[in-house]
Amino acid sequence: SYELTQPPSVSVSPGQTATITCSGDALPKQFGFWYQQKPGQAPLLVIKKDNVRPSGIPERFSGSSSGTTVTLTISGVQAEDEADYYCQSADNNASEPVVFGGGTKLTVL
Amino acid sequence: QVQLQESGPGLVKPSETLSLTCTVSGDSVSSGDVYWSWIRQPPGKGLEWIGYIYYGGSTNHNPSLKSRVTISKDTSQNQFSLKLTSVTAADTAVYYCARGHESGYHLIPYFDYWGQGTLVTVSS
Repeated sequence: SYELTQPPSVSVSPGQTATITCSGDALPKQFGFWYQQKPGQAPLLVIKKDNVRPSGIPERFSGSSSGTTVTLTISGVQAEDEADYYCQSADNNASEPVVFGGGTKLTVL
Repeated sequence: QVQLQESGPGLVKPSETLSLTCTVSGDSVSSGDVYWSWIRQPPGKGLEWIGYIYYGGSTNHNPSLKSRVTISKDTSQNQFSLKLTSVTAADTAVYYCARGHESGYHLIPYFDYWGQGTLVTVSS
């Protein structure tokens, strides 16, 4: 089965930039999507189609794609950004149309 | 504003069938280019896609669960449902229903609206 690989954890101080990566063989062909999940809450879409920010998502959230990696960048991290972040994509031929990465715990020091 | 709400038993016995319903408001389960989806999250673990129903009632499921999953919809009630058969303790999870919006690639959605989730425990 297709896998997306994320680092288990990332730590940054307030005001710094957090970078969370997601790697997968099909990412050159498929979009990457990113979700934020805070404890006890449902996931929230923060980036769609590699680098598009949905309405209502702060500008400090951005996304990019290069080769087999998509990246979520949070500039000027705030305490409220502490959460789990999940990437989502699909395999090359959509036989697995929805696959989530294992998640990254962002800690704001 | 689109809203989704899961409902169903919070406790299911091993080997029995888990049944959940998602009630949708603010959109129609008959909408085109929308994938009405089920996603689950075991306690302390990551997200796992279960499957979706789309267009005229076609479905698609996670290959790892395919033989146990049935997803259906009731357009008169604006609901869609999940049945998962032969459950074990490994099926204990928070189950979310979500609206999948087509990404621009056929059959590949992203999820823009989610229910609050419901915890289902499999135990005797």
